[in-house]
Parts: sequence; structure tokens; C-alpha cells
Amino acid sequence: EPEVTQTPSHQVTQMGQEVILRCVPISNHLYFYWYRQILGQKVEFLVSFYNNEISEKSEIFDDQFSVERPDGSNFTLKIRSTKLEDSAMYFCASSGIVREKTQYFGPGTRLLVL
Amino acid sequence: LAKTTQPISMDSYEGQEVNITCSHNNIATNDYITWYQQFPSQGPRFIIQGYKTKVTNEVASLFIPADRKSSTLSLPRVSLSDTAVYYCLVGDMGGFKTIFGAGTRLFVKA
Repeated sequence: EPEVTQTPSHQVTQMGQEVILRCVPISNHLYFYWYRQILGQKVEFLVSFYNNEISEKSEIFDDQFSVERPDGSNFTLKIRSTKLEDSAMYFCASSGIVREKTQYFGPGTRLLVL
Repeated sequence: LAKTTQPISMDSYEGQEVNITCSHNNIATNDYITWYQQFPSQGPRFIIQGYKTKVTNEVASLFIPADRKSSTLSLPRVSLSDTAVYYCLVGDMGGFKTIFGAGTRLFVKA
């Protein structure tokens, strides 16, 4: 069964550093998403991406965040200057073009900002 | 997306059937109802999705009454490994802001 994959599984960084989280969505999917989940809290939507542009973003997704689909398979989330409060699990998801657009999630990247 | 209301937590015993009900009074005509399961430190996992009446797959059943203002996820004969958080989401999920609520934390006991 096709899966969404994410790398790295864990990342530790210093405050102020840039991080790039990578995702490989399911191959025939066209909608891509990033979410985060702070430990013990609910899953929070960050951004959705379709046709090489952002279709929706939350208030969390400020100028420090950016997304990119640099090639036909990868989807990345960049945090330019990490803050302590960016420590969280980051999940990528993708969905196809069927009407229901069920989202399938990756295993996540655990980001720790020190 | 329609707002949803679910119980915060539920307890059950192995082998029992568990029903988790979600209220979504403001569901729109085009909205689907989708349930996800999440284990600690893992991504949400799709369980089942439906629009009306009843949907069944190898994992669960989803019951949706005619007015679609609520839905019930039914897990037959739960096991310890079904201990997880279950989320009900309502809406057209493609390309839109997807809002997860707090979910229902199911704890299955031996």
C-alpha cells in the first residue's frame, strides 16, 4: 500500500537555525499538507498546497515558514529561524483528486529546538 | 469546516464493541465525515469515511443518520491495540484548512 514518507524522523537544532523537513507524498496525489502537533496537544493545520501554490494556510504559518515542491516527488517545509516553540511533531499529508480527498499522513518528524 | 463535538475520553474492555459519537450540527451538503486514529508519536491514520447511511470496512463501521448532524464510529471487538485518540472531521478536506478537534481518547483495558 502506498505511504507518505518523511525525513528525518528526528531533528535537533539550535534556536535561530534553519531546518528543512522533507516529505514524499503518495505518487499520484496532487494535494499536499503540513500539520504540527505540540506534545500533548491536538493536530494543527499549517498549510495546504496544490498546483504549485499555497491554497490555504493557518495563522501559525507565518513568514518564518515556507513550503516547496522542488521536484516531482518531494514536498518540503522550511522553518527559517527556529524558535523554542517550534518544537513539535510535524506531519505531512497528501490526498488525491477524488471527490472525498481523504488525506493520508506520514509518520512525522520530531523537531526539537534547543 | 463544520465544528465537531466528541466525548473527551472513553474506556472499554477487550472484546467489547465501542461506539464513539460525533456531533456536527452545521454540516454542509458537500461535506464528508472522516474518522482518523492516532497512536502516540504517530501520524493520524485514516479509518473510515462516509457521506450518509452506513459504511463498513475491515476496521470499522460508520453510521450516519438521515439528517447527518451526527455520526457514530463503531469498532467491533476492540483489543488493547485499539487504545488511541479518535478524531472526527467533517468537511471537504481537499485544499482547505483542516481542523482537528481534541478527539476522543479511547482506553481499552484487559
